[in-house]
Amino acid sequence: DAKTTQPTSMDCAEGRAANLPCNHSTISGNEYVYWYRQIHSQGPQYIIHGLKNNETNEMASLIITEDRKSSTLILPHATLRDTAVYYCIVKPQGSSNTGKLIFGQGTTLQVKP
Amino acid sequence: DSGVTQTPKHLITATGQRVTLRCSPRSGDLSVYWYQQSLDQGLQFLIQYYNGEERAKGNILERFSAQQFPDLHSELNLSSLELGDSALYFCASSQMGVMGEQYFGPGTRLTVT
Repeated sequence: DAKTTQPTSMDCAEGRAANLPCNHSTISGNEYVYWYRQIHSQGPQYIIHGLKNNETNEMASLIITEDRKSSTLILPHATLRDTAVYYCIVKPQGSSNTGKLIFGQGTTLQVKP
Repeated sequence: DSGVTQTPKHLITATGQRVTLRCSPRSGDLSVYWYQQSLDQGLQFLIQYYNGEERAKGNILERFSAQQFPDLHSELNLSSLELGDSALYFCASSQMGVMGEQYFGPGTRLTVT
């Protein structure tokens, strides 16, 4: 599975957009980019995933570069409740693969008032 | 609320003992995953079951075993417990075996004394 690189920590002002980068330069064609977050020892929470097109849902937007070597998770209006560890995960989805998630260290996002 | 339930929430036991953690997946989900989160190792995949069959194994010790029952609930059995087994244990479920997002339960916090 492709490895991801994320900054260890980031700060964001409440109400502003939080842009969390992820590098996955060794991603292969059948690998999707997933984002999860974990708020203070709670179970990780699914945010969004995509293959090559940009995706948006009620929680966030995912921007994947054209070469697919990096992506950015955007929380459009961060609130204090968005303070969490954010994990970028690359996961293959062919029938010969499993669904397991390989978590890295993630980015600790601190939203400040 | 993810719809995944785990019991018990907390468990304190002594070294050498055996415990069973229980997970009920979301209604309709066929896959169950177990993850371990310790302070020094981060979130690690242990094992996946899909519709009653083992699908994938990760860093699961031989002292640990799991099964998925016909009603799709799963149990993780930990035996000959050691201090280093103290961790948060999360269960997650998904509809399919490979694709799609996983929904995590609130976890069981195991403390081995």
